[in-house]
Amino acid sequence: DTGVSQDPRHKITKRGQNVTFRCDPISEHNRLYWYRQTLGQGPEFLTYFQNEAQLEKSRLLSDRFSAERPKGSFSTLEIQRTEQGDSAMYLCASSSYTGPLTQYFGPGTRLLVL
Amino acid sequence: AQTVTQSQPEMSVQEAETVTLSCTYDTSESDYYLFWYKQPPSRQMILVIRQEAYKQQNATENRFSVNFQKAAKSFSLKISDSQLGDAAMYFCAYRRHIYGGSQGNLIFGKGTKLSVKP
Repeated sequence: DTGVSQDPRHKITKRGQNVTFRCDPISEHNRLYWYRQTLGQGPEFLTYFQNEAQLEKSRLLSDRFSAERPKGSFSTLEIQRTEQGDSAMYLCASSSYTGPLTQYFGPGTRLLVL
Repeated sequence: AQTVTQSQPEMSVQEAETVTLSCTYDTSESDYYLFWYKQPPSRQMILVIRQEAYKQQNATENRFSVNFQKAAKSFSLKISDSQLGDAAMYFCAYRRHIYGGSQGNLIFGKGTKLSVKP
């Protein structure tokens, strides 16, 4: 068990550029979640996958955001035409499908849009 | 919709003392889970403790314990024998119970920043 990993840890981009983040969940976990955390706030749910199926999307996930989990393992979150308001920490979490479904978080990707 | 409220933006405790962080939540459901997560500065969020709503017994994990008052919808975290490494943001989170594949996303409060004085 190597934990949830995210890459990159930090990303600085200019407004209007596209960015992509990657999340590798704990290997036996089939549920994967994306959250966004802005300064001084708790994380807010964006979307979640069970295996490769994206089963839920928050209204926070505008059409500029897209997430994939093509083989039910790692996931990517892409933001197109970034805006300054997209600056935040993007957190990934994973859980198993059984039991209390405790979510384990990765270190996050901190995005700064200039 | 469910909500989680942490009314203490910041708290401070002396090393070796005890501190209690407050959390209230609102839900119409009877079965759910509650969590406390710890987020140290520039480090990842880690689970501190979990409580199942159907269990009357309060959860404990070493120096961490909760006071779960279901009727009052209150879920406080007590940290005993506070250590310098306990300094962090603490988030209270709610998750509805999973029946038939619902998403089970966490709903977080805004957090309480805990400082530990040596």
